[in-house]
Amino acid sequence: KAGVTQTPRYLIKTRGQQVTLSCSPISGHRSVSWYQQTPGQGLQFLFEYFSETQRNKGNFPGRFSGRQFSNSRSEMNVSTLELGDSALYLCASSESGGAYYEQYFGPGTRLTVT
Amino acid sequence: KNQVEQSPQSLIILEGKNCTLQCNYTVSPFSNLRWYKQDTGRGPVSLTIMTFSENTKSNGRYTATLDADTKQSSLHITASQLSDSASYICVVSEMNDYKLSFGAGTTVTVRA
Repeated sequence: KAGVTQTPRYLIKTRGQQVTLSCSPISGHRSVSWYQQTPGQGLQFLFEYFSETQRNKGNFPGRFSGRQFSNSRSEMNVSTLELGDSALYLCASSESGGAYYEQYFGPGTRLTVT
Repeated sequence: KNQVEQSPQSLIILEGKNCTLQCNYTVSPFSNLRWYKQDTGRGPVSLTIMTFSENTKSNGRYTATLDADTKQSSLHITASQLSDSASYICVVSEMNDYKLSFGAGTTVTVRA
């Protein structure tokens, strides 16, 4: 099976702009989670989608949003970008989510806000 | 608040030597603990997953141990190789809840 894919891999945006990141999960996986990773904060959970519904959400402002399509592909959107949004954004998929299922991570999208 | 603390923050070892990374957690009720390896610029890759009933699990030269009573886990790397240079992240999940608690990671550098 193909792994989790994320596009684009690298992105440079200007403060105030918005950005959309895409994630294609492993075939058959219905849960997609998004994480932000920065050197100072480590991995932080953004949200999880399962069957097109947001099932869990982390402690991020409303500028961060996402959605999941019927084919389980997911997008994450960040509006009004701030310098602090510069990070590696990781997507992970699993069969059903939850505490017992293995998560498989994509390579990430490196976002730089200038 | 559930927490996962890893130590040391970083370490340098010579190729061929062994090392042990530590993970202490306060997550309760505990479901499982995972160790991930993350190479620079890449997504984390799972090394082991252990439930509360498992004490030891191995994946090649990586051996994880778990003491659910003291809420401690360790990851032992045997006969280190240059390719072991990476960040190792401990992740703990709470029973009946999706959210995962992540440690800050230990950066391992293996030198020839």
